[in-house]
Parts: sequence; C-alpha cells; structure tokens
Amino acid sequence: AQSVTQLGSHVSVSEGALVLLRCNYSSSVPPYLFWYVQYPNQGLQLLLKYTSAATLVKGINGFEAEFKKSETSFHLTKPSAHMSDAAEYFCAVSAPYKYIFGTGTRLKVLA
Amino acid sequence: KAGVTQTPRYLIKTRGQQVTLSCSPISGHRSVSWYQQTPGQGLQFLFEYFSETQRNKGNFPGRFSGRQFSNSRSEMNVSTLELGDSALYLCASTPGDLSTDTQYFGPGTRLTVL
Repeated sequence: AQSVTQLGSHVSVSEGALVLLRCNYSSSVPPYLFWYVQYPNQGLQLLLKYTSAATLVKGINGFEAEFKKSETSFHLTKPSAHMSDAAEYFCAVSAPYKYIFGTGTRLKVLA
Repeated sequence: KAGVTQTPRYLIKTRGQQVTLSCSPISGHRSVSWYQQTPGQGLQFLFEYFSETQRNKGNFPGRFSGRQFSNSRSEMNVSTLELGDSALYLCASTPGDLSTDTQYFGPGTRLTVL
C-alpha cells in the first residue's frame, strides 16, 4: 500500500536561506510523486511531479525535488527562500483512483 | 483553459441540516475527486468519480455522498450535518488515470457548521 510521511509540520527559514522540506514514501509499485503548495484560503497548486523520467525534478518558483529510491525519499528544496514562499506544502503519492497526501509542512520565512 | 471551479466558496449551516457542494472540472477532464481538509486530519480522500461512476471511496460515513453528471460536473452532499463536518472541501480533476495524471484543484468550499 502507498503512504507518505512528511517530517516536520512547521519549518522556519530566513529569507535567502536554503529551503528543505522532507518527504518519505512507501509504495509497492514505482510511484508517481507530487509536491503541492497551498496559500491561505486557496486550493492546492502543483509545484512538481516525478514520473520516473528523471530523478531530479524541477518545478515552478525555483523549487526542485530529488527522487532517491534507496532512501524512499522525495525531498523538496529551493536554494534561496523568498517571503512569498510562506505557505503549506504537501507531498503526495498516487494510488489506484486516489492520491495519498502527507500531513503537510507549513513553511515560515523570516525577514 | 478555465480551471476547476467550486461553488459556493463559503457556506454556513447549522447542525442537522444538509448541504450540496458543486464542482466543475477542467474541460475535457473526466475524473473528479473530493477531499476534506481540516487542521487536525489534514487532507482526507472522500471519493472519486469517472464517467458518472464512483471508482473509489474513502473512509467516511454514509452521510457523505456524491455524484457525477454526464458533463463531468460533480456534486457532493452531506446530510445531517455535524460540528465536525466543518472543513475546507476541495475538488480536483484529472484527465482520467489517477495513477499517472496530475490532479488540478479548485479553490475549495469552506463549510462552517454551527
């Protein structure tokens, strides 16, 4: 069965610092993995998607994620945080006829 | 293309009432999924419809139901509302195969039960 674990419900970084949001997955089949971002009072917006074509996936707004099968991880990174990155981030894995989401990580960016 | 739209955006109901939420998917998308989002439980899958057929259902009581129309628009209904049903209800659409396709989300309907 597929599952996703996000480590750290809250992460704070200084503006300009590296952003690292952690996601570990469990899947009995080669997974499709996703990162979504949610701004207050909005729906979820796709940041990036892993489809096995390449282990390093580049997304929007300067985010990228690396698929590591040996570590069953799909961590999200951004070299330099902006104030506008403050939001909640969700990792997800696809399963038959649904997605399974992690519990989310709220990112705070300090001036 | 227009995105996923949900109506209404906000609802206030009282316990015991029922409510119907609507979702219009992206044109050409045939799969519609519903999720409940609460601070305590996160994003919980409710159900998924494809071509008017429910293909999957989450672990919610029978008070939660849904349907999909021939134009792929979907509705979900919650009967006998409870305080714990207060949540953001999100709809997402996909061309067809949830195993590989990307889900695109609407802005959500914020339901408050008093």
